[in-house]
Amino acid sequence: KQEVTQIPAALSVPEGENLVLNCSFTDSAIYNLQWFRQDPGKGLTSLLLIQSSQREQTSGRLNASLDKSSGRSTLYIAASQPGDSATYLCAGASGGSYIPTFGRGTSLIVHP
Amino acid sequence: ETGVTQTPRHLVMGMTNKKSLKCEQHLGHNAMYWYKQSAKKPLELMFVYSLEERVENNSVPSRFSPECPNSSHLFLHLHTLQPEDSALYLCASSQDIGLSEAFFGQGTRLTVV
Repeated sequence: KQEVTQIPAALSVPEGENLVLNCSFTDSAIYNLQWFRQDPGKGLTSLLLIQSSQREQTSGRLNASLDKSSGRSTLYIAASQPGDSATYLCAGASGGSYIPTFGRGTSLIVHP
Repeated sequence: ETGVTQTPRHLVMGMTNKKSLKCEQHLGHNAMYWYKQSAKKPLELMFVYSLEERVENNSVPSRFSPECPNSSHLFLHLHTLQPEDSALYLCASSQDIGLSEAFFGQGTRLTVV
């Protein structure tokens, strides 16, 4: 069964910093990995989806990578802004059911 | 706006009540999901429907009853809930199960008193 771990659980950085959020998974036979953002009390917003055949995806200041052999994905946020403050979740789809398994998330605070 | 709409956004119900949560998507997706999000826990998958057929039921208590009358609508019927069922209930959809991008609704914040 796929297990997804996100480290760190919480992160506080000053505005302008480049930062990396980590996501690790146990089943390397992963079909895809998706990164989401969740604001307090709200639903999840999809940020990036990386298929198993891809190594990275980029959207604006966000870059996500996928390394199946090491069981890791990273979300890189460039030039962080206070508006980036949210919880970031990753989810990996694998196994016969293809159902995504979620990590617990990284709570990010970017202070001015 | 993700294209997935959930109603109501907030719900307070007593343990003897019966209520329903509604999810609607007009993205042309074939798969729809119910997730439960409790404080300090990962998202818990409850049910998955593909082309209106239930394909996953993750050992969810029978007091939660899903219904998918067509590919655009998904319901979660609730009855005789417990206070520990209080959580954010999230609906999601994707083109197909697992292999495509998932889009989530804003959730229903449920409080059982």
